[in-house]
Amino acid sequence: AQKITQTQPGMFVQEKEAVTLDCTYDTSDQSYGLFWYKQPSSGEMIFLIYQGSYDEQNATEGRYSLNFQKARKSANLVISASQLGDSAMYFCAMREGDNQFYFGTGTSLTVIP
Amino acid sequence: NAGVTQTPKFRVLKTGQSMTLLCAQDMNHEYMYWYRQDPGMGLRLIHYSVGEGTTAKGEVPDGYNVSRLKKQNFLLGLESAAPSQTSVYFCASSQRRSGRANEQFFGPGTRLTVL
Repeated sequence: AQKITQTQPGMFVQEKEAVTLDCTYDTSDQSYGLFWYKQPSSGEMIFLIYQGSYDEQNATEGRYSLNFQKARKSANLVISASQLGDSAMYFCAMREGDNQFYFGTGTSLTVIP
Repeated sequence: NAGVTQTPKFRVLKTGQSMTLLCAQDMNHEYMYWYRQDPGMGLRLIHYSVGEGTTAKGEVPDGYNVSRLKKQNFLLGLESAAPSQTSVYFCASSQRRSGRANEQFFGPGTRLTVL
C-alpha cells in the first residue's frame, strides 16, 4: 500500500484565490511527522510546513496551513492568496520512526493570472 | 553557509560503469539521506545515515552503496550502473531532533543518465 497518496496530479488556481492540495497517509505508528515541500521548475526542494502526529492544532506558516485530520489520515495543504510564484510541484511527505521518509507523487500547481 | 551541496550536477554513464556521488553539508547535521526522483514517482529514500560511520537502508537500496566517513559528507556509489538507475538524485540532511527540527534540507540534485 502507498504510504503517501496525492490524488491530484495537476491543479489550477486563480491568482489571489485559495487552493487545497490533498494528501492522505498510511501508517500504524503513533508518532510520525508530516511535511510539505515545494519544488519549482528549477528543481530544488523547499520546505513549507510540518505537522507532528501529536500536535493538536493545525500548523500554519505564513500563507500555508495544514489541515490535519488524524482520524481520516489526511494532511491537506492550504495555500491562501495564491501568487504566480506558487506555481510548482508540491510534495507531501511522512516521517515514520526517526528516519524513514516517504514522499507522495506530487501535485503540479499552476497559478493563473 | 553553503547548506547542502552535491557533486557532480550532471553525469552520463554507460551501462556497467561505476561512479560516486558526493554530498556535503556545513550545518553540522547528524542525519543525512540519499533519494532518487523519477518522473511520476516522487522521491524515494535509497539509504540514510544517523551519524559518522553508520548507514542504513531506505526504501530502494538495491544497486547502491553508501559511506559516511566524515560527519559532513555522505557518498552514494553505483558499482555497476544500469539504465534503471537513470534518475535525479537528491541528498538531504537534518538535525537529530523530532518535530520541525527534523526538517530536511535538500541539495540541488544530480541528474544521472545511464545509457
